[in-house]
Amino acid sequence: GQSLEQPSEVTAVEGAIVQINCTYQTSGFYGLSWYQQHDGGAPTFLSYNALDGLEETGRFSSFLSRSDSYGYLLLQELQMKDSASYFCAVRGKSSGDKLTFGTGTRLAVRP
Amino acid sequence: GAVVSQHPSRVICKSGTSVKIECRSLDFQATTMFWYRQFPKQSLMLMATSNEGSKATYEQGVEKDKFLINHASLTLSTLTVTSAHPEDSSFYICSAKTGSGQFFGPGTRLTVL
Repeated sequence: GQSLEQPSEVTAVEGAIVQINCTYQTSGFYGLSWYQQHDGGAPTFLSYNALDGLEETGRFSSFLSRSDSYGYLLLQELQMKDSASYFCAVRGKSSGDKLTFGTGTRLAVRP
Repeated sequence: GAVVSQHPSRVICKSGTSVKIECRSLDFQATTMFWYRQFPKQSLMLMATSNEGSKATYEQGVEKDKFLINHASLTLSTLTVTSAHPEDSSFYICSAKTGSGQFFGPGTRLTVL
């Protein structure tokens, strides 16, 4: 199976940079995804790492190191609207198309 | 882009009643849809995989007789919570699989009194 651990809460100031970590234990997976979810809303896809290294998409970047069983999401130039929950997720090689989500990190952006 | 809808967005029911939640792929066909449950301040937990034209596959610990799933067409999957109880109160989210990944519906907030 898979388990993905994230810090439960992170607080940062508007305009700053914040990193949300994801450490995982898995028997094999295709890649690491990141999703954003505002309260009461649907998860929306942010980023995906199939290979080790950094992927950049605008203000959001994501990193994966399979040798360290670790990844992170980096949010730059934080805005108030970035206050949300963030989840890492994997699609396991032995679990078909099923996604396993991390424990989730609630990000609070302060003025 | 791929759009997934859910209906209703919010439902309140009495204990012991059944509630049906619909998940539709609006601009694409989905042979596979997924149903998740999310309790407050917790992560999404996969309940079952819904396959068009065949029986759903349930995750360990999810009662298939309580959470009935029907995927009768390529654009619609339904989840029926039978004999709902207060502990079933949760946020139910569906997703549909496409060639480029999974797209999530807006969720249904179920409150059982």
